[in-house]
Amino acid sequence: QVTLRESGPALVKPTQTLTLTCTFSGFSLNTDEMCVAWIRQPPGKALEWLAVIDWDDNQYYTTSLATRLTISKDTSKNQVVLTMTNMDPVDTATYFCARMVARDDYYMDVWGNGTTVTVSS
Amino acid sequence: DIQMTQSPASLSASVRDRVTVTCRASQNISKYLNWYRQRPGKVPELLIYAASTLQSGVPSRFSGSGSGTEFTLTFSSLQPEDFATYYCQQSFTTPYTFGQGTKVEI
Repeated sequence: QVTLRESGPALVKPTQTLTLTCTFSGFSLNTDEMCVAWIRQPPGKALEWLAVIDWDDNQYYTTSLATRLTISKDTSKNQVVLTMTNMDPVDTATYFCARMVARDDYYMDVWGNGTTVTVSS
Repeated sequence: DIQMTQSPASLSASVRDRVTVTCRASQNISKYLNWYRQRPGKVPELLIYAASTLQSGVPSRFSGSGSGTEFTLTFSSLQPEDFATYYCQQSFTTPYTFGQGTKVEI
């Protein structure tokens, strides 16, 4: 059974750096076709795709946040870490990680429950 | 970046209605289009990938079609659990952008 769980601070101050961890089980990021993505959703708003890291350690980012985001993996711990620098109140959102499968297509078939992050002084 | 536009933004329907939601891409994305359902307060769920392939376990009342720049998600007979927000997402190239969502209401 594939599961993912996000963890990190619920509250960060403006200008701080946010570090989120996705801990997963049921698959390996050393396996071809496996990726982990991050997506966020501000309250009452649409989903926004943020970043993905694949089995070959390739990393891709959304254009508007590329200078602030870093995604990395620790395959020995089955974890993917997302850092976002210079946090702002507009970054308040629920942050999800999801398994992304690169087979026929790239699709996110299993999602974590999400972690809510509020940016406020 | 590829822009994804869904229409309508919201719609009202009844149980057992046949409903169609449209998603348009700002450039040709071939078949690389996925659909997700998000019930209120819940995690998004994958419904369809590669434009028309039903994810395992998803009821057959859902179907997807299209290629290039225009895609549709159809519910053959709306069920109570289908009242939710639906998102399309292109996976042709990074960044893998989402549409703004279509809310299906009673």
